[in-house]
Amino acid sequence: SAVISQKPSRDICQRGTSLTIQCQVDSQVTMMFWYRQQPGQSLTLIATANQGSEATYESGFVIDKFPISRPNLTFSTLTVSNMSPEDSSIYLCSVHVAGGPRVTGTDTQYFGPGTRLTVL
Amino acid sequence: GENVEQHPSTLSVQEGDSAVIKCTYSDSASNYFPWYKQELGKRPQLIIDIRSNVGEKKDQRIAVTLNKTAKHFSLHITETQPEDSAVYFCAANPGGSNYKLTFGKGTLLTVNP
Repeated sequence: SAVISQKPSRDICQRGTSLTIQCQVDSQVTMMFWYRQQPGQSLTLIATANQGSEATYESGFVIDKFPISRPNLTFSTLTVSNMSPEDSSIYLCSVHVAGGPRVTGTDTQYFGPGTRLTVL
Repeated sequence: GENVEQHPSTLSVQEGDSAVIKCTYSDSASNYFPWYKQELGKRPQLIIDIRSNVGEKKDQRIAVTLNKTAKHFSLHITETQPEDSAVYFCAANPGGSNYKLTFGKGTLLTVNP
């Protein structure tokens, strides 16, 4: 398994500012992802954070708005830039781990605790 | 791309009853179907998954069934307990990806004592 932490756990920001969210894993992982979960909604993949290269963004998400860094195999950051109230969401990082837990016995994906962002 | 439909959006059952949540997917290349449970204010937690080479998988009170031909899979919870109350998400891996997941919209399950 993997222990994932995120900072900050929550924040309230002003329109037009930027916030950087950190994701730390207790072991080296190849694949890290960033998701957005709007209030009462499902999980939407923003991008795959690639170590040593640019992130791979999903349709509807762009690097200028959500720049991502992945300096090593245990850490990644997501920045939400030039925020507006529509960016108010929970942002979660996740990691893909080989050889999952008993219930799966296979590769699986774990989620961090999330960062609850409110933009005023 | 992959489209995952999940039904119902809300489900209320009495403690001890069974609950069934159904999902359909569109991408015939998908071959991995996990289910996550998210309690209020918590992170999604993987509870069970199934791969396309298996038709059914069970772990204590939860089971998942897969019909590849019809492209649908279901979560079954037996002998429900109040602590089963949560939002449940199904997911599928688009294009048979080793890593990426597309999620359904979720089902809010309420187990009434």
